[in-house]
Amino acid sequence: DTAVSQTPKYLVTQMGNDKSIKCEQNLGHDTMYWYKQDSKKFLKIMFSYNNKELIINETVPNRFSPKSPDKAHLNLHINSLELGDSAVYFCASSPAGGWSYEQYFGPGTRLTVT
Amino acid sequence: KQEVTQIPAALSVPEGENLVLNCSFTDSAIYNLQWFRQDPGKGLTSLLLIQSSQREQTSGRLNASLDKSSGRSTLYIAASQPGDSATYLCAALSGGGADGLTFGKGTHLIIQP
Repeated sequence: DTAVSQTPKYLVTQMGNDKSIKCEQNLGHDTMYWYKQDSKKFLKIMFSYNNKELIINETVPNRFSPKSPDKAHLNLHINSLELGDSAVYFCASSPAGGWSYEQYFGPGTRLTVT
Repeated sequence: KQEVTQIPAALSVPEGENLVLNCSFTDSAIYNLQWFRQDPGKGLTSLLLIQSSQREQTSGRLNASLDKSSGRSTLYIAASQPGDSATYLCAALSGGGADGLTFGKGTHLIIQP
């Protein structure tokens, strides 16, 4: 049973396109996250979200937007894709608040922008 | 702003050795610290979580310690095996918890058979 799943696993697209990455967790968690791992393998938080609050990392361009249709899903929409958006994107989740709990990560989506 | 540093960046040791991976963080006001393993082209596997009130956690051959006052954590791997080869990441949860984890750049570990 997959705890945190992402689709697609690989995404190749051209500059200027709009794309979405889906994330689903079946753990009953209340908080979900998106992280970006760049070409140097450095992981950075992009967003955290629970039912009440969206926290956006100030360095994330507004071309990126998370959308949560329900508590189990947090999708990532990216508009006007740029070459620099090429990276691996990880979704994660944790129980309510997340302050003291483990974060569980999905397998990642490798995005390549050409 | 929290910053996490991991030393060494890479480590290669013969099978069977005990080893220590180091992690330091600049803001001691953390909620917890989590150690992960990442295999090439794969996602992150959580290894150990240490709450801010704890000093260490153990799982099998792994032991993680936390010293908040000095801003340090170590991951001790006993009797290393080739299957332990991976990148090990430490990450601190601080500030508002909803800010997410701050990761180090990882230690790339190779265990020689």
